[in-house]
Amino acid sequence: EDQVTQSPEALRLQEGESSSLNCSYTVSGLRGLFWYRQDPGKGPEFLFTLYSAGEEKEKERLKATLTKKESFLHITAPKPEDSATYLCAVRGGGADGLTFGKGTHLIIQP
Amino acid sequence: NAGVTQTPKFQVLKTGQSMTLQCAQDMNHEYMSWYRQDPGMGLRLIHYSVGAGITDQGEVPNGYNVSRSTTEDFPLRLLSAAPSQTSVYFCASRAPGGAGTEAFFGQGTRLTVV
Repeated sequence: EDQVTQSPEALRLQEGESSSLNCSYTVSGLRGLFWYRQDPGKGPEFLFTLYSAGEEKEKERLKATLTKKESFLHITAPKPEDSATYLCAVRGGGADGLTFGKGTHLIIQP
Repeated sequence: NAGVTQTPKFQVLKTGQSMTLQCAQDMNHEYMSWYRQDPGMGLRLIHYSVGAGITDQGEVPNGYNVSRSTTEDFPLRLLSAAPSQTSVYFCASRAPGGAGTEAFFGQGTRLTVV
């Protein structure tokens, strides 16, 4: 059974204070690790896909990295508009769907 | 392109009533899926489809039915609603070009069963 654990559950940062979110996973035959952003009352919005250990992707203030057991979402010099819940998910070798973690609720204070 | 469109956005049902949550996509995606999101839990897969006429069960399929008669539409049916089905439901679609293609989500349907 595929499993995804995200930490911390919640994180409050000051504007400009860099940090990292963690996603630990166990999966049978990783076919992709995905990061999404979710704003209140909205559907998840795609950020990144990572396929293999050592891979990195960047978008604005966000950078995602992948090892064989975990992924990190690094946020550099965050702004209040980066406040959201960040979801990590994996697609394994079974059903064509995603297994999600519970998310990290990120608040960036001005 | 509208992307993935879900209707209705909000719905209140009485226990035992039936209803259909609608999902349509205009991206010509072969793969579609339904998830539910509950407080303190991650999104969980209910049913998915890899093409018209093909559906399969996900992690939490009990109490839900699906069918896929066209590429564009993937409705989710609740046959006899129960309070445990109170949740936010999301539909997603993705292109078939490899298992790593990202899924696009709709805005969700918030369902309350009383």
